[in-house]
Amino acid sequence: SQKIEQNSEALNIQEGKTATLTCNYTNYSPAYLQWYRQDPGRGPVFLLLIRENEKEKRKERLKVTFDTTLKQSLFHITASQPADSATYLCALDKTGANNLFFGTGTRLTVIP
Amino acid sequence: GAVVSQHPSWVICKSGTSVKIECRSLDFQATTMFWYRQFPKQSLMLMATSNEGSKATYEQGVEKDKFLINHASLTLSTLTVTSAHPEDSSFYICSARGSSRQETQYFGPGTRLLVL
Repeated sequence: SQKIEQNSEALNIQEGKTATLTCNYTNYSPAYLQWYRQDPGRGPVFLLLIRENEKEKRKERLKVTFDTTLKQSLFHITASQPADSATYLCALDKTGANNLFFGTGTRLTVIP
Repeated sequence: GAVVSQHPSWVICKSGTSVKIECRSLDFQATTMFWYRQFPKQSLMLMATSNEGSKATYEQGVEKDKFLINHASLTLSTLTVTSAHPEDSSFYICSARGSSRQETQYFGPGTRLLVL
């Protein structure tokens, strides 16, 4: 069966440290993978898209890697801040489908 | 750019009434719009996909007669929850995408529905 699993439901980290979130998938062959941030009571906000032929992508303090052999994406937030506390969702496409498929999310809490 | 709005942001209604939620793409043309619902501490559950001018495609288990979707223009889609019941209480989120399939989906802020 197809699955998109994010490593943990919740992750606590000290301010200033690097947060690393994991997204593993099975029985998908995505052309690209995306990461979103969702705050409580709000819709998801797009952060980064990485394509299958890209190993790594960066945007300010964010870095995403994509390993199609391991079927895994890692999402890093460096120099984390309390304002980074939110739920982070990975999403990927599927050949023949029009929509994205979302993981269950990881709730990140950055402790001051 | 790529702003999507939803209205209303929250609604409380009595059981049996119908509720309409609007989703608008403010600065781009959305050829495809998606409707999701989300229960507390759960991920997004896709309800239906709609292309402008076409009938919506519903996911398995979603009643098309209960959740009416209209995508009459490139900037507006509506979801009507007909004869709402307490179990329909949820967080409804729309997203919109432009013409390229590889483009990102941009999400609205969501609508909290509470059916009494």
